[in-house]
Amino acid sequence: GAVVSQHPSWVICKSGTSVKIECRSLDFQATTMFWYRQFPKQSLMLMATSNEGSKATYEQGVEKDKFLINHASLTLSTLTVTSAHPEDSSFYICSAGLAGNTGELFFGEGSRLTVL
Amino acid sequence: ILNVEQSPQSLHVQEGDSTNFTCSFPSSNFYALHWYRWETAKSPEALFVMTLNGDEKKKGRISATLNTKEGYSYLYIKGSQPEDSATYLCAFWGGAGSYQLTFGKGTKLSVIP
Repeated sequence: GAVVSQHPSWVICKSGTSVKIECRSLDFQATTMFWYRQFPKQSLMLMATSNEGSKATYEQGVEKDKFLINHASLTLSTLTVTSAHPEDSSFYICSAGLAGNTGELFFGEGSRLTVL
Repeated sequence: ILNVEQSPQSLHVQEGDSTNFTCSFPSSNFYALHWYRWETAKSPEALFVMTLNGDEKKKGRISATLNTKEGYSYLYIKGSQPEDSATYLCAFWGGAGSYQLTFGKGTKLSVIP
């Protein structure tokens, strides 16, 4: 199956700093990638849809200026949490689907962000 | 906001036991229902993508059924093994042309050797 790689797996940062998370499709081209966030004991929640070469589409309630998404190539999307605060501490995970597929998604390994 | 419920939240079974859990989802605007297995420290991995009412899919000892009219899907594991220990997620896809899956919270399965 298709492989999606995400890193870093763990990141700890100070409040007010910015953190970048990368999501790469290793053996396929992904025109669209998806970023999710999961708080403890909650569901994976879609934050935004990342579109190669254009602006990301954000879900309601997700601040686009805080969660910057860049999808500059067909194999890489990045999520930058700007001016992170403790309430941004969460598990972030990306996914991508294959064009023409039945909708099955391929996920990265996820990134655990802790903001001190 | 779409409501996708999974039950139970967690369960422990003995090795060799068979088990099943439930995913309920909206019965309107159905397009597809996904099941994923998520092992600790790994990526979620797709098990099944189900699209037709009455679908039954099988992969080894794991199978799933789908009832779109009443809005539920069952996942069955026959003869559970320790390697089946994982969180099983279902996700509802409510419209063609988008990948906006709505996930349940998952069922965490622990198989005791």
